[in-house]
Amino acid sequence: EMVLTQSPVTLSLSPGERATLSCRASQSVSGGFLAWYQQKPGQGPRVLIYRASSRATGIPDRFSGSGSGTDFTLTISRLEPEDFGVYFCQQYGNSPLFSFGPGTTVEMK
Amino acid sequence: QVQLQESGPGLVKASQTLSLTCTVSGGSISSGSYYWSWIRQPAGKRLEWIGRIYISGTTDYSPSLKSRVTMSVDTSKNQFSLKLTSVTAADTAVYYCAREQLWFDSWGQGTLVTVSS
Repeated sequence: EMVLTQSPVTLSLSPGERATLSCRASQSVSGGFLAWYQQKPGQGPRVLIYRASSRATGIPDRFSGSGSGTDFTLTISRLEPEDFGVYFCQQYGNSPLFSFGPGTTVEMK
Repeated sequence: QVQLQESGPGLVKASQTLSLTCTVSGGSISSGSYYWSWIRQPAGKRLEWIGRIYISGTTDYSPSLKSRVTMSVDTSKNQFSLKLTSVTAADTAVYYCAREQLWFDSWGQGTLVTVSS
């Protein structure tokens, strides 16, 4: 069974700083089908990145994704106040068909 | 922009059946090459994919829930639905519906379902 782990659990940063979030898979993610999401309290998640490095519609270019195989990274180049929240990764293709990471909380320092 | 909204009872008794409906607005559920999924998140835990359905009625379910899950779609109402049988306290979670194209590009806001004994 595919398991995703994320690090760090919590990232304490100030606006304007760079955030680097990691997602590691227990098996190679087939086809690079790895997505990143942002979630705010009381809301459904919002997709930021799909297929490891493609930005979703309307997502600012300060968000970027990279990686392949089992190691993936989400980078926020300069944090804006609205960027604080929970980020999680998701893979497609291994059993189960979809699985999610536990999340990284980006909090204001 | 497509919007999704979950609806259904917020409280279900143990051993009974959880039933939820997702209503899609701002676009037809029949348009495009999308699957329609259910995902849940118990408090303090990671998201768990439950299953998906295509407009043809083709379904895929999570192996861990397959024996208890049924999904259906009603294109005339622009809705799709989830039934989860024999629920226990472990099924207490926020349930989301989402549109999927190998990633989930639109989500509902989620609905909390509590299983009571």
